[in-house]
Parts: sequence; C-alpha cells; structure tokens
Amino acid sequence: DAMVIQNPRYQVTQFGKPVTLSCSQTLNHNVMYWYQQKSSQAPKLLFHYYDKDFNNEADTPDNFQSRRPNTSFCFLDIRSPGLGDAAMYLCATSTKNIPSSYEQYFGPGTRLTVT
Amino acid sequence: GNSVTQMEGPVTLSEEAFLTINCTYTATGYPSLFWYVQYPGEGLQLLLKATKADDKGSNKGFEATYRKETTSFHLEKGSVQVSDSAVYFCALRTGTASKLTFGTGTRLQVTL
Repeated sequence: DAMVIQNPRYQVTQFGKPVTLSCSQTLNHNVMYWYQQKSSQAPKLLFHYYDKDFNNEADTPDNFQSRRPNTSFCFLDIRSPGLGDAAMYLCATSTKNIPSSYEQYFGPGTRLTVT
Repeated sequence: GNSVTQMEGPVTLSEEAFLTINCTYTATGYPSLFWYVQYPGEGLQLLLKATKADDKGSNKGFEATYRKETTSFHLEKGSVQVSDSAVYFCALRTGTASKLTFGTGTRLQVTL
C-alpha cells in the first residue's frame, strides 16, 4: 500500500543534542509537510516543500531546519533541542497535480522526548 | 485570518448513542472543510471533506454538512461504537493554499 512512513516512532534526545527525524513516502506526492503537535493541541505547521521549493512558516524557530534530497524523503533537523521541543512530529504529503484532491496524508508521527 | 473553533472535550458517550461535535470557522474566501481523526498513538487520517457550500461529506457512518450561512461543519454519527474513540480535528483550507488550519481537537470516548 502507498503510504507515509516515519522513523523512528519514538526518539529520545538530550537537551542541546542535534536530532534528525525522517519521513518517506511511496505516494509520489510533490508536497511534503512537517507539523509539530504538542499534547492536547492541534498540529502546527512548521514548513513544507513544494517539490524542491522550501516554504517556512513565519513563526517557526530557526532551531528547526528541513532537507528534502529527493521526492520520496524529507528530514526534520532540530539543531539544539530544548525541553519545549518535546512533541509529536507529523509528516504529511499532498499532491497539487490533482487540484480537487489537496488532501493531506499523514504518517504515524515520531514522538520526541528531550531529557 | 483563518481560524477553526471546536467544542471542548472530552465527549463521553455510551455505545450506540448519537454523536455531534460542533465546528465553526472564520475564513477569507471560500474554504474547503475537513474532519480528521487521530486514533491513540497514530497520525491523522482524513475522515471526510466538503469543498463547497451545502456539500455533505460522509464516511464510515460519519457525516458533516458545509453550512455557509452559519459558517459551520458539525460532525455527526447516528450510532457510535467503542472503536470510534479517538480525537477528532476540524480543519479548513482556502483556495489553492497548502496550509491546513486545524481546530484544537475534540476527544471522544465511547463506553460499553
């Protein structure tokens, strides 16, 4: 089945130690998103790629970076994680090739713990 | 700007009860509206959607009607099951923008 895969599902990192979360997709979608979801809150969009074009949300901290080396993979890098960055990180994809179908397809998420 | 307001949870119902989760929105232009469901430990899944006024989205016994006059998109199900226990998010998207605006989510707990 075509899907959005996130690895790892659970990640523990130390305060200030860089960490990378990964997302891959078999849907061949041209748009990929990263969301941060804190406990009992709505997902908050950090940034998205439209093909290779990177689109950062205005309030995304500089501590968060992203890479998309090819259509299938997208990475979220947190350069110096703080305790406040502990959250679920959700990757999603969509395609703009079918205008009526801007649905976003989500992966299962990576739960990040910062110690 | 765009915003979505959902009723606060948790909503606790007995199995086979009728469900309503209220959702209202504020948006520029004519948004598309969505309900996503998040089961424990999982990502979000699209439950249903409506792209224009008076459209009714439906899936798995859930329904929601896009009401432009009341700027609402309330989620309903006639008979809930224990397996429906999850968090439900209402969301909107305007035009061809990529960004979804989510409500804060409503937790549904269904008991036997």
